[in-house]
Formats: sequence, structure tokens, C-alpha cells
Amino acid sequence: DGGITQSPKYLFRKEGQNVTLSCEQNLNHDAMYWYRQDPGQGLRLIYYSQIVNDFQKGDIAEGYSVSREKKESFPLTVTSAQKNPTAFYLCASSVAAGGFYNSPLHFGNGTRLTVT
Amino acid sequence: DQQVKQNSPSLSVQEGRISILNCDYTNSMFDYFLWYKKYPAEGPTFLISISSIKDKNEDGRFTVFLNKSAKHLSLHIVPSQPGDSAVYFCAATLGRDDKIIFGKGTRLHILP
Repeated sequence: DGGITQSPKYLFRKEGQNVTLSCEQNLNHDAMYWYRQDPGQGLRLIYYSQIVNDFQKGDIAEGYSVSREKKESFPLTVTSAQKNPTAFYLCASSVAAGGFYNSPLHFGNGTRLTVT
Repeated sequence: DQQVKQNSPSLSVQEGRISILNCDYTNSMFDYFLWYKKYPAEGPTFLISISSIKDKNEDGRFTVFLNKSAKHLSLHIVPSQPGDSAVYFCAATLGRDDKIIFGKGTRLHILP
């Protein structure tokens, strides 16, 4: 079955530690995205990548970093610089960036990160 | 500045009746609008979309209406079923852009 796998589903970290969230897709999609969901805030774009070895900042990139060394993988690192890291993180992909009318976003099931 | 607004955080509807979820937007250059449905602890799934050149798109129980002059769209679900209880996100996109802009979501409760 093709899809997007995010692991782990729940993640706990101490404040001041960096943590990396995994996202893997086997849909052969070119574009991948990271969103963050907070209660009452909807989905906010952190980073996105249109192609391997290239990525752009979204609306709330501060305190986060990404890499796109392989088409299938787009890991997100939440650094200690992120002021409010506790949230539900969603990875998504689409056939190609832009033109979302014919290539809607496919989402993973998310990782809930709790930092204490 | 929110470009896509869903002003109702929650909505309760009797099973079998019509559910109407509303969405307003500010950018008249948006050319495509989408609705996503999300269950707790899962990722959103694509539901239905509409091009800005149309005023209605229908798919089974789901119909999206677009009123460009009012910068308003709505999602109608009829008849509403228990499995429709979820959070619904309205989203908009610019054809030349690489991003989708999401609203904050509306939680729909279908009452037995």
C-alpha cells in the first residue's frame, strides 16, 4: 500500500534537546511538506521541498531544520531554539508542488511531540 | 493576517440532516479551494475541491459552493452520517504558488 509513514506516533523530550521526526513516503511524490497543528490554530506550514536536495521555509520555520537527501524521506528536526515545540506535526506529500487541484496533499498520521 | 477563515469552531447537526460548513477568504487571487477532513490523531484526508471558475462541485453526499463576489465558500453534507463527525479544514491555493493556506478548522458533531 502506498502512503506516508510518520514515526514515532508519540515522542517525549526534555527541553533543550533537539529531536528529529521521521517522514517516509512510497508514493513517488516529488513534493513534501511539514505542517504543525496546534489547538484552534489549523495547519501551519513549517518547511517544504519540491525536489531532492532543495527545500524552502514555510510560514513558521524558525527553530526547525529539514533535509531532503532522498526523494522518499523528509525528516524534520525540532531544535532547542523552537520556543513552543509541543504540538502535533504532520508530514504531507503531493505529486508536484503547486497545482493542488490535481495533486492534493496526502498526509501521514502525524507525530505528537511533547517537550517538558 | 488570516487569508482563509473558518469562523465557527464547532457545529452540531442531527444525523440525517444537512451539515453546512462555511469558509471565507480575503485573497481574490486564490484560484482553487479544497476541503480536508480530519479525525483525531490522524492526518487530514482530501475531500473535495472547486476551481474559482466554477460555483458548484458535487461528489456524492458532498457539495461545495463558491460565491466569488462574497469571497465565501461552503461545504454541504447531506444526509449527515455519524462517520462525518470530524474536523473540516477549508484551504485555498494560488496556481503559481507552492503552498496551500488552511483555515483553522470546524469541528462537526453529528448527533444521533
